[in-house]
Amino acid sequence: SQTIHQWPATLVQPVGSPLSLECTVEGTSNPNLYWYRQAAGRGLQLLFYSVGIGQISSEVPQNLSASRPQDRQFILSSKKLLLSDSGFYLCAWRPGDPYEQYFGPGTRLTVT
Amino acid sequence: AQSVTQPDIHITVSEGASLELRCNYSYGATPYLFWYVQSPGQGLQLLLKYFSGDTLVQGIKGFEAEFKRSQSSFNLRKPSVHWSDAAEYFCAGGRYGGATNKLIFGTGTLLAVQP
Repeated sequence: SQTIHQWPATLVQPVGSPLSLECTVEGTSNPNLYWYRQAAGRGLQLLFYSVGIGQISSEVPQNLSASRPQDRQFILSSKKLLLSDSGFYLCAWRPGDPYEQYFGPGTRLTVT
Repeated sequence: AQSVTQPDIHITVSEGASLELRCNYSYGATPYLFWYVQSPGQGLQLLLKYFSGDTLVQGIKGFEAEFKRSQSSFNLRKPSVHWSDAAEYFCAGGRYGGATNKLIFGTGTLLAVQP
């Protein structure tokens, strides 16, 4: 069966510090991968998605970036965090279109 | 433009009462549709999905949803709510043959259950 992992589970970082969040999927190959953010009391905002290694599509211009160095690994990064980057970050995968997405447990990021 | 709308931001029901959460979609062609549930601090869990065929779909935890093309709706129902159903619910949709691989999510409905 397929499993999706995210780490760390929680993170507290000062403004201006770098960020690296990791997402890995097990038990499947060539998944579509997604990064979402949930700000407090708000819905899901799609940040990035990837249909293959090295292929990244950005949905919202911001100081975040994403990379997919391996087939089942998706990384969300920032060189300098802003207060507005605080939120709950969710990674998701799906086998392709038109299937459903499966979500990881999320990372709670607090920027202080 | 394609969209998924959840008109109710917050709903409170009594335990044992029936539940209906609304979802409306706007797509030029037949969409595929999902309902997800999210408990506080957790990821999203898939409740049910509709791709084609029977318009009444059954999901996990006793939930069902009905696809109504004439009303552009995909409402989630449960005949008797349990306290453990308190969570946030998201409707999502996609389009066959869409140019992208994205799903569009509604803004969510927060369900509170009174004892």
